Amino acid sequence: DAGITQSPRHKVTETGTPVTLRCHQTENHRYMYWYRQDPGHGLRLIHYSYGVKDTDKGEVSDGYSVSRSKTEDFLLTLESATSSQTSVYFCAISESQALSSYEQYFGPGTRLTVT
Amino acid sequence: AQTVTQSQPEMSVQEAETVTLSCTYDTSESDYYLFWYKQPPSRQMILVIRQEAYKQQNATENRFSVNFQKAAKSFSLKISDSQLGDAAMYFCAYRSIQGAQKLVFGQGTRLTINP
Repeated sequence: DAGITQSPRHKVTETGTPVTLRCHQTENHRYMYWYRQDPGHGLRLIHYSYGVKDTDKGEVSDGYSVSRSKTEDFLLTLESATSSQTSVYFCAISESQALSSYEQYFGPGTRLTVT
Repeated sequence: AQTVTQSQPEMSVQEAETVTLSCTYDTSESDYYLFWYKQPPSRQMILVIRQEAYKQQNATENRFSVNFQKAAKSFSLKISDSQLGDAAMYFCAYRSIQGAQKLVFGQGTRLTINP
């Protein structure tokens, strides 16, 4: 299994509070991703990173920010959590060779509930 | 932008029989990759099979095979000799060959195996 961990694994928070989810990898992969999973929508990309301090927005980035100060860590922050951000969040990593079918490896997921 | 559609929210099959999960996608690109991921109740995302669009031959992995119809933009997954352990959510995903290797997922199909 690829070395990807996510913390926390479960979190319940109140509307309006800030929340930070952490993704940590031991594979030294260049690309890191944050997805959210909701019923009826599959997984949707929030933000991704293609290197240290290099990030870009995905399909559903509103209300989220990210940071990557080290190769191994990719943080997802909800500045002011809302109930619509209740979801399961997945981190994924990938090798850097675009012209290949390298798979993305996924972390175990974080279940976030905003009350 | 690319889109992926799985039109079967739920499917069921008798143990040892064959089941086919459907997936269609929309893209203007000529080269890309397609994937099927399995998500059991543990929530872990597991790669089942991948297909390179430039390959005409359908991918096969043991009991799992795909029917890739490029002109029709169709990518179905066939599971032969279904086993109880195959019960899971199945997601079809698309990835461009260029850029940040972002995955675009379908909505998912929940597969139930009846003993």
